[in-house]
Amino acid sequence: GENVEQHPSTLSVQEGDSAVIKCTYSDSASNYFPWYKQELGKRPQLIIDIRSNVGEKKDQRIAVTLNKTAKHFSLHITETQPEDSAVYFCAAKTSSSNTGKLIFGQGTTLQVKP
Amino acid sequence: NAGVTQTPKFRVLKTGQSMTLLCAQDMNHEYMYWYRQDPGMGLRLIHYSVGEGTTAKGEVPDGYNVSRLKKQNFLLGLESAAPSQTSVYFCASSQGRSQSRYEQYFGPGTRLTVT
Repeated sequence: GENVEQHPSTLSVQEGDSAVIKCTYSDSASNYFPWYKQELGKRPQLIIDIRSNVGEKKDQRIAVTLNKTAKHFSLHITETQPEDSAVYFCAAKTSSSNTGKLIFGQGTTLQVKP
Repeated sequence: NAGVTQTPKFRVLKTGQSMTLLCAQDMNHEYMYWYRQDPGMGLRLIHYSVGEGTTAKGEVPDGYNVSRLKKQNFLLGLESAAPSQTSVYFCASSQGRSQSRYEQYFGPGTRLTVT
């Protein structure tokens, strides 16, 4: 079935360093890839997304890259700050009909040390 | 504009009891979803709806039922709760196909414990 693998499961960086989280997906027809940030005890919130007709998208300190051939996409956070500490989830929209269904990765716990 | 809301926020059930979780959205979204979140397993889709009066099974539907009688509400029912259903439940909504907008907006979650 459709699957999204996310790595690493935990990531610890020093404040100011960059962080990279990678995801691979199985459905080659997937065309929408969002990233969500979830702080402890809170709801997941969309931080950036990319569609399959674009290779890269940036929003201030965060960026997402997509390699359709290899079926993987990555989240890049530069100049990390303690408030970036959270669980990050990648997702891929399934191609099945037009349900908008997302398959989520298992999550990455990012810790930014001051 | 409250976005997506969920009730209750917390609940403790005994094995075999039933309950209904309510999700409401005021964004006129077509699509709605119910997920469960367990440690290390991400968000798994239970059931979803692409419009009023329609529902479909997701990845982990067993033990749950849903109804979408009104566009703004999506109910998740547990007929006979089991300890394996202890989890955090999130509802989400998105605009849907007509807008080609697939961003999902999440509710605050319901923490359910089944003893």
